[in-house]
Amino acid sequence: AQSVAQPEDQVNVAEGNPLTVKCTYSVSGNPYLFWYVQYPNRGLQFLLKYITGDNLVKGSYGFEAEFNKSQTSFHLKKPSALVSDSALYFCAVRDRIRDSNYQLIWGAGTKLIIKP
Amino acid sequence: GAVVSQHPSWVICKSGTSVKIECRSLDFQATTMFWYRQFPKQSLMLMATSNEGSKATYEQGVEKDKFLINHASLTLSTLTVTSAHPEDSSFYICSARVGGGVNQPQHFGDGTRLSIL
Repeated sequence: AQSVAQPEDQVNVAEGNPLTVKCTYSVSGNPYLFWYVQYPNRGLQFLLKYITGDNLVKGSYGFEAEFNKSQTSFHLKKPSALVSDSALYFCAVRDRIRDSNYQLIWGAGTKLIIKP
Repeated sequence: GAVVSQHPSWVICKSGTSVKIECRSLDFQATTMFWYRQFPKQSLMLMATSNEGSKATYEQGVEKDKFLINHASLTLSTLTVTSAHPEDSSFYICSARVGGGVNQPQHFGDGTRLSIL
């Protein structure tokens, strides 16, 4: 079965410093990976996805993620953190559930705190 | 583009009341919609997958008669929590997938916080 792990419950970064939020996955076949962000009392917003192609994927709000097949990782990164980046971040992998229908398997989430 | 509107955003009601939550795709047609439940400081739990014009597919452990899902059109899905009790209090989130492409991202509503007294 597909699975996603986010090993850090919380990541603290000073404003202006680079940030990394970690994600590792376990899939059978080709991975289809996603990152979402959730602000308090809000739904999730799509940041980026990896389906195929370049290992470095660029997304919304200056975020990018690097797909590493040998390490089965898909870490989210940003060169210079903003206080407004503080939120809950979820990594997800696509899973086929039945027939041609698919769902996303979610990581537990990582709380990112950017300190001024 | 790809905006999903979820209404209401917050509901407080008495035990035994039925509550309906609406999820609308505003600028696209959503052949598939998903309903999630999120507990405090936890990840999302998929409750059901809803395809337009057909019955929803519920995940194991989710009561069909308790959580009624209707996906009557390509832009609207509803979740009705019937005879709600305090243990049903939670944050419910819907999402919709653009078109039929399984590699397309899901777009989420802002969620509904349900509090049952």
